[in-house]
Amino acid sequence: AQSVTQPDIHITVSEGASLELRCNYSYGATPYLFWYVQSPGQGLQLLLKYFSGDTLVQGIKGFEAEFKRSQSSFNLRKPSVHWSDAAEYFCAVAGGYQKVTFGTGTKLQVIP
Amino acid sequence: NAGVTQTPKFRVLKTGQSMTLLCAQDMNHEYMYWYRQDPGMGLRLIHYSVGEGTTAKGEVPDGYNVSRLKKQNFLLGLESAAPSQTSVYFCASSRQGAGELFFGEGSRLTVL
Repeated sequence: AQSVTQPDIHITVSEGASLELRCNYSYGATPYLFWYVQSPGQGLQLLLKYFSGDTLVQGIKGFEAEFKRSQSSFNLRKPSVHWSDAAEYFCAVAGGYQKVTFGTGTKLQVIP
Repeated sequence: NAGVTQTPKFRVLKTGQSMTLLCAQDMNHEYMYWYRQDPGMGLRLIHYSVGEGTTAKGEVPDGYNVSRLKKQNFLLGLESAAPSQTSVYFCASSRQGAGELFFGEGSRLTVL
């Protein structure tokens, strides 16, 4: 069965600092991988996705993620965090054609 | 563009009562999903549908029923609500399985 682990429940960074959110997945073959962001009281919005090809994918709002098959990881990065990035971030994996499995989320706090 | 619309947004039930959550999408998507979100547990798939007239169980289907009589609508029913079903429920749709999910804003349900 597919699964996703986000080891960091809560992360605090200073505005302007770099950010990396960790994600590890479990799936027997090459998965489809996603990062979603959720602002308070809202639904989830797709930041970026990896299906195949270039292992470094670019997303919206200046985010990027790198697929590393050897480490079963898909970490999310941003070079310089803005206060508006404060939100909860979810990594997700889809191993089949029908179901997407989400991690437990990482809540990002940005301090001035 | 409306996208995915969930009604109601808030509801309080007493144990044993029944209710239905309605999800409507205007993007002509084939796939629709119901998730529940609980603190520290991420999003867990309740039921999903791969097309009009079809439904399938997700990770946590017990206590819920669904119907997809029309392509644009996906209904989630609770026949006899229990306090353990207190949660935020999200509907999502996608054009293809394992593709980008488009989420509604959520429905907060409290069962007393």
